[in-house]
Parts: sequence; structure tokens; C-alpha cells
Amino acid sequence: QSALTQPRSVSGSPGQSVTISCTGISSGVGGYSYVSWYQQHPGKVPKLMIYDVTKRPSGVPDRFSGSKSANTASLTISGLQAEDEADYYCYSYAGSYTFDRFGGGTKLTVL
Amino acid sequence: QVQLQESGPGLVKPSETLSLTCSVSGSSISSGYYWAWIRQPPGKGLEWIGNIYHSGTTYYNPSLKSRVTISVDTSKYQFSLKLSSVTAADTAVYFCARQSSGWYYFDSWGQGTLVTVSS
Repeated sequence: QSALTQPRSVSGSPGQSVTISCTGISSGVGGYSYVSWYQQHPGKVPKLMIYDVTKRPSGVPDRFSGSKSANTASLTISGLQAEDEADYYCYSYAGSYTFDRFGGGTKLTVL
Repeated sequence: QVQLQESGPGLVKPSETLSLTCSVSGSSISSGYYWAWIRQPPGKGLEWIGNIYHSGTTYYNPSLKSRVTISVDTSKYQFSLKLSSVTAADTAVYFCARQSSGWYYFDSWGQGTLVTVSS
């Protein structure tokens, strides 16, 4: 399986919106793709922010949203806050219980 | 609320076997979830090592498959990782995590434990 590609870094000012892309998503049976996003602050544990492409776990602010078009998934963070500065990883599972993969990670800097 | 906690040596010598255990609380390890190991070398990204179902069925990252063994002890609510013939490249923070039944996401993570491979 090919790698999931993310930009190394993105940045934005407080209050702005930023989008992080994840390219290389393949579709499984029925055309489904299962994409999730994780936030990781330095030295901390990754936290699930988005699952099933667009769903937010309980407690995740609605400033975080996910989408997918063709083979690219995106995480959009609106109304940027200083606390959003972190690394973000995408993860995709395309089926067949064979091999899982994460994207390389994107460092978000809040200017 | 599910909690996971890794335990094991923080220092392993080259060519030896890395052994870690993850203790699970707040969730039945025999539920419909998979239980995964993920690692993160210093300053680098996340790498899925493999996972196990309570039945003992395992799946491994092909790049590590020849050196990895994951096992589960349902009576102790624990699952374990063994990685043989380690080198400095295996130095990483090792996380255990709960993986959804369809492998779609990881919703709970342990705190992670740093394992350094060095003589």
C-alpha cells in the first residue's frame, strides 16, 4: 500500500481557518473509506478528533470538521485557537484486515 | 471510561527482545474491539505495529511481521508485545491503544512508554 501524504506544516492566525490534507486514501468494498484524525501535543498522547471521515467524538469542539474528496481527506479547523497548535495525523483503513497506516503528520502552528 | 497502561523495561540491549504489557481497565478486553500497539520514534510519526482480538487472532505490520508477537491474556485484562532482534531503530515511544471493531479508528490510548535500545 502507498503512503498517506500530509503537508509537513501549516499555519494560521487566531480566529482563522486552516485545512490539513491527507492524500492517498483508497476505497474499500462499496467505495467506503474510513478516515480518522488525531491531535498530538508535544510529549502527549494522540487524541481522536475525527472518525469515519466526518464524525466527532464527544467532547471535540465543532470547530473541527472532516471531509473527503476522491483520494484526499481533509481536516479543517475553524476559529483557530492557541491550544490547537499541535501535530495532526490522519489514519485510513481501506479494508481486508491487512495493513494499517498513518499519514506522516502535519505540524500546525498558530501564529 | 477505558484506561490503558503500558509497562515494561525502558532500556533494551541491541539484538535482544523488547517486551511490553498493556493493562486494560474500564472495558472488557473480550468486547468487540481490537487491541493495538503503535510506536513513535523520537521526533517522528506514528507507526502501527499490529493488533490482536480477544480470540487471539493477530495482524501485523508487514515491515515488522518477522520480529513481532502480540498476545492476549483475557483473564488478566492484558495484552503484550514482543519485538525481537531490536536495533537502535526500534527506539521509540510505544503506545497501546483500543482499535475499533472495524479497524476504523483508535479511540483510547495508553500514556506511552519510551523504550531505548542501547548497550
